[in-house]
Amino acid sequence: RKEVEQDPGPFNVPEGATVAFNCTYSNSASQSFFWYRQDCRKEPKLLMSVYSSGNEDGRFTAQLNRASQYISLLIRDSKLSDSATYLCVVRPPGAGSYQLTFGKGTKLSVIP
Amino acid sequence: EPEVTQTPSHQVTQMGQEVILRCVPISNHLYFYWYRQILGQKVEFLVSFYNNEISEKSEIFDDQFSVERPDGSNFTLKIRSTKLEDSAMYFCASSRTRGEKLFFGSGTQLSVL
Repeated sequence: RKEVEQDPGPFNVPEGATVAFNCTYSNSASQSFFWYRQDCRKEPKLLMSVYSSGNEDGRFTAQLNRASQYISLLIRDSKLSDSATYLCVVRPPGAGSYQLTFGKGTKLSVIP
Repeated sequence: EPEVTQTPSHQVTQMGQEVILRCVPISNHLYFYWYRQILGQKVEFLVSFYNNEISEKSEIFDDQFSVERPDGSNFTLKIRSTKLEDSAMYFCASSRTRGEKLFFGSGTQLSVL
């Protein structure tokens, strides 16, 4: 089973639409969860951390369900500039763990 | 906003040659990392470095790879004898503490011919 699994997409949505991405992770003891954004052939950039209670940052809402090992990202009122690949990222368990485990990403294209 | 700087942006080399990829992490950061991304694949962890030693490495980071912080500002990744499958985008990253946000550099695209 892949460590972090995402629907690769692509998701093609019109401007103003609401779109949701899902992610599952295999290690139930994983500690921390994030959504990163990656533009074509650029570096990943942190979009938001994901907390157990769910959290919102403007048009973006992230949810975590530890029981189902499931993370989601909701984007409301999509903008053209939201077009990118969205990476689900997990920090494995272990006090000494430094690494982040990335999903392969879900590609979003927002169409005018 | 402070940046992680990587040089060169592109590196082309022949199979079997040694390459050194260079990074200047953010100045007050203490934790340094290398990740790579093969075209069309996911970003993969290679190694983390703290207090002048490797703190964690993945199974990708074999004996052909090494890291060094030769002075107070640079952080390098050396591949001793490159293989075709080493072709990838290599990202350097740094963070102030272990649990804090990682700042990634813009990457070095390595092409092994």
